[in-house]
This record gives sequence, C-alpha cells and structure tokens, in this order.
Amino acid sequence: DTAVSQTPKYLVTQMGNDKSIKCEQNLGHDTMYWYKQDSKKFLKIMFSYNNKELIINETVPNRFSPKSPDKAHLNLHINSLELGDSAVYFCASSRLQGEGETQYFGPGTRLLVL
Amino acid sequence: GDSVTQMEGPVTLSEEAFLTINCTYTATGYPSLFWYVQYPGEGLQLLLKATKADDKGSNKGFEATYRKETTSFHLEKGSVQVSDSAVYFCALSDRGTNAGKSTFGDGTTLTVKP
Repeated sequence: DTAVSQTPKYLVTQMGNDKSIKCEQNLGHDTMYWYKQDSKKFLKIMFSYNNKELIINETVPNRFSPKSPDKAHLNLHINSLELGDSAVYFCASSRLQGEGETQYFGPGTRLLVL
Repeated sequence: GDSVTQMEGPVTLSEEAFLTINCTYTATGYPSLFWYVQYPGEGLQLLLKATKADDKGSNKGFEATYRKETTSFHLEKGSVQVSDSAVYFCALSDRGTNAGKSTFGDGTTLTVKP
C-alpha cells in the first residue's frame, strides 16, 4: 500500500489554465505539507496543515490555494498557471507537528506549463 | 532564521570509494537533524536522523553524528555502490514557534560509477 500518494503524476498544461493536484496519506498522520522542487533540485516548503488547519504558509503567490478536506487529504489548486510554476510538487506527511518528526514524501507531480 | 549548508555537488565516485557529504547548520533552538535521499524519479525518503547532540544516526551503511560544537551533521559511507547514486538532502527541524517546519539544504547529487 502506498503511504503517501499523489495524482496526477504528470501534468502538462497551457499558461493561464487552472489545475489541481491531489494528495492522500494512509499513515494516520496529523500533519501534511506541500513542497516545490525546481530543476536544480532545490526544495522549498509551500504550506503545512495540522489537523486540517493551516500552520505554515510561506511566501507563495495567492494563485496557489491548499485545501484540506480531512486529515488524510491535502490538495493544491493553482490558478492562472505561469511558466515559472513548472516544477515537481511533493506532498509529505508527518505523525505530529513537531521537531524530530520524520516526513514521508509522495512520489511527486511533475508539472510542465507551456 | 534556520539554515542548512551542504557540500556543493555534483559528487562523482568510483564504486567502493569512501563518501563524505558535509552539512552544517544554524538554528535558533536545539534542532533535530536528518538526511533524506531522493532516488531518480522518486520522492524523498528518510535515510537517517539524530535528535540530540552526539547521537549517531545510521542506516544502509551510512552514518552521521550530531556535533553541536561544530554545528555539523556530515554524512559518511565507507564503501559506496552504484545503487547509492541519488540526491542527498541534509535537513533540520527546530523546536520553537515553527515546530514541524523543516529546513532543507540544497541537495548534493552523488553519482557512483562501476
């Protein structure tokens, strides 16, 4: 069973479109995250939710809107896609919100904006 | 703020060579330290971690020791294999107001040649 899953795995779309990426974890974790990884492999946190509540919101354009319908799901909606949004987006989860907690990553969604 | 500095890559080694990837950190609190590994086309996964000074994390022949006096957490392996080719990320998770937020280094790409 996949612990953290993301759909879709690949997403190719035109500039200006709106798209969503879904994430689900079956680990029973309380905390979930979205990260963006650029072409140089730099990893940057975007959002974190704990028990469906937003706890980390980094400097991310408000075109990006996360939504957590329940503890096991954290989706990412992106409006008016731009070329610079092309990246790999990773969802992750951890048991608790706290230092020392291991994060478990999904396989990533490769977004290409044309 | 917190930061993690990793040895710049890429690193290319021959099979059975000794590996060191340096990692130093700055943190306002007393963090937990992690090494994550990302194999090609996959998400990150925990390699090892240490939660207090002088702790040694180890897994799959890799080791790293939490050195508070030098604020370092260098990754070592005595004899690398081709299958160790991946991107390695050093990370910290700090206690305090942003507990749960991890800070990642820029990643070091390792290629092991047969």
